Formats: sequence, structure tokens, C-alpha cells
Amino acid sequence: DAKTTQPNSMESNEEEPVHLPCNHSTISGTDYIHWYRQLPSQGPEYVIHGLTSNVNNRMASLAIAEDRKSSTLILHRATLRDAAVYYCILPKLSGAGSYQLTFGKGTKLSVIP
Amino acid sequence: KAGVTQTPRYLIKTRGQQVTLSCSPISGHRSVSWYQQTPGQGLQFLFEYFSETQRNKGNFPGRFSGRQFSNSRSEMNVSTLELGDSALYLCASSSAVGLITEAFFGQGTRLTVV
Repeated sequence: DAKTTQPNSMESNEEEPVHLPCNHSTISGTDYIHWYRQLPSQGPEYVIHGLTSNVNNRMASLAIAEDRKSSTLILHRATLRDAAVYYCILPKLSGAGSYQLTFGKGTKLSVIP
Repeated sequence: KAGVTQTPRYLIKTRGQQVTLSCSPISGHRSVSWYQQTPGQGLQFLFEYFSETQRNKGNFPGRFSGRQFSNSRSEMNVSTLELGDSALYLCASSSAVGLITEAFFGQGTRLTVV
């Protein structure tokens, strides 16, 4: 199974952009890259996903390296509400069309006022 | 549109007892997955149900079981509770249309085994 590597923690100042890196050097050609985040005392929340091209949505942007061995989640202006653990995941497809999310330890993002 | 609802939110049980947790997915979602979150092991996949059938199972003992009803609501059961089963149990629903589907998580049930 393809694995992901993320820094344990990062800090950002409020209203500054944040770049959260993820390495996935063993990614296969059909693996999608998903990002979730978990705010304190809540369940994980979907952020964004992509395959090859960079992606944008209202929450964040996802920049994917040309060789797809790494990606970066970009929060354009961090707010205090963005303080959370961010998980980079390559969903695993199992039999019968099911897929599962394998969560690593993620990156704990702290936002400084 | 209502989100994923898990009940109860908190539960305290004694070793050896059994427990049933409930999850109501988002309307129209047919896939329900369960995860266990502990400080030591993080978030771990338990199992996934789709149209009342278990399609995938994680590496947990047989004491952990689940089922899904025709309205897509799901329950998970843990028998012969152990102290190590104390955890946050999370349920996620999705429309399960291929790999690009996003999963929506509930707030979880906090189980404490004493």
C-alpha cells in the first residue's frame, strides 16, 4: 500500500498562508490524494482531493507535483478555526468496490493570533 | 441536509459487557464506514457496509461486529468489552461512487470501559 509522510506539527500566524506538505513516493497511477482535517473534539472533515492537476475549492488548494510523489495543501489565509490535525490520505480500494481511508498521524497545525 | 448522526455521544460500560452504537448516515448515502480512534493507535478502519452488506473489514477481533439496515442506518456492536476498547468511535457515510467520493463523519461516540 502506498504510504504518506507528513511533518508532525507546523505553526502559522493568523491570516498568513500555510503550506502543508505530504510525501507519497510510492503512489500508483490510479491513487487519488485526499486531505481531511480534524478539529478538536470533532470527527474528521473532508478538505479536498485530486489526482494529477492542481485543485481549488472554497476551503483550500491542492498542489500536486508533476511526478505525483508529493503534494501540498495550501490554506490561503489561516484563521484560528483552521487549527486542526491535517491528514493526507491515499484511499485504498478493496474488493467489491469498497475503499477505506487509512489515517496516519497527520500534521497538527497551530495558528498563532 | 442533516449530517451524520451518531448516538449516544458518550457511554460508560464495565469490562465484560457489550455495547451497541448507532449511526444514521446522510440521506441518500448507502455506504457507512466505522473507525476507532485512540491516542495510541490513531484512527483505524473497522468495517464498511453498503446496501446491507459488509464490503470491507479492518484488522479487529471478532468481538467487533456491525450491520446495516435497509434504510442505510448502521449499528456496530462490541461484545465482551475490554479496557482497551475505550475510544472514540466514528462513523462516516458516503455516496460511494468510486474512489473520488468524499466521506462525511459524525461527531463520534466516546466509549469508556471501566
